[in-house]
Amino acid sequence: DSGVTQTPKHLITATGQRVTLRCSPRSGDLSVYWYQQSLDQGLQFLIQYYNGEERAKGNILERFSAQQFPDLHSELNLSSLELGDSALYFCASSPPTSFNTQYFGPGTRLTVL
Amino acid sequence: GENVEQHPSTLSVQEGDSAVIKCTYSDSASNYFPWYKQELGKGPQLIIDIRSNVGEKKDQRIAVTLNKTAKHFSLHITETQPEDSAVYFCAAPAAGGTSYGKLTFGQGTILTVHP
Repeated sequence: DSGVTQTPKHLITATGQRVTLRCSPRSGDLSVYWYQQSLDQGLQFLIQYYNGEERAKGNILERFSAQQFPDLHSELNLSSLELGDSALYFCASSPPTSFNTQYFGPGTRLTVL
Repeated sequence: GENVEQHPSTLSVQEGDSAVIKCTYSDSASNYFPWYKQELGKGPQLIIDIRSNVGEKKDQRIAVTLNKTAKHFSLHITETQPEDSAVYFCAAPAAGGTSYGKLTFGQGTILTVHP
């Protein structure tokens, strides 16, 4: 158990809908990262937050957005969902002393029908 | 940006044998190289990492070696056990970034250890 929690574990929804994925980092970690894992694209970095502020962006679609709250939990919002958005979404967190040492949560499996 | 290539894509070994997975990276400024193990239905688990100021690091049956000149690093698992069966990923900081933790991952290696 990495100490990173994610909810829900599974999410099934329809095209065009909007969903919110939630992540709580390990105790003491200030950074949160979101990754998407699909069979064809592998594990892709989406976005990073540090202590409430956006720090880095990957190939995140405009339909996707994220935020980190004062209690350091983070939410990833996915809107106007398409079939191709079906994937595993992972959250990771890292200690303040080492951004690259990332610990992953168990993931949310999103299925868009 | 950083490009990470991982080989082989699948690896099958007998229990007790050694397994080696290799990754190459493109950005010579990269200085941190983690390895993750992902079991079915779980998130990637950090199993070992190495920084560019050392050439090798060991943790029990697992070791990682780094060749900065050739820009490649490898994961070595000795005395493999069936529970080592999983997908293994290497990673490197994207675009040489060490400040923001934007990792680029390899494509993954499916390791199967036969009893």
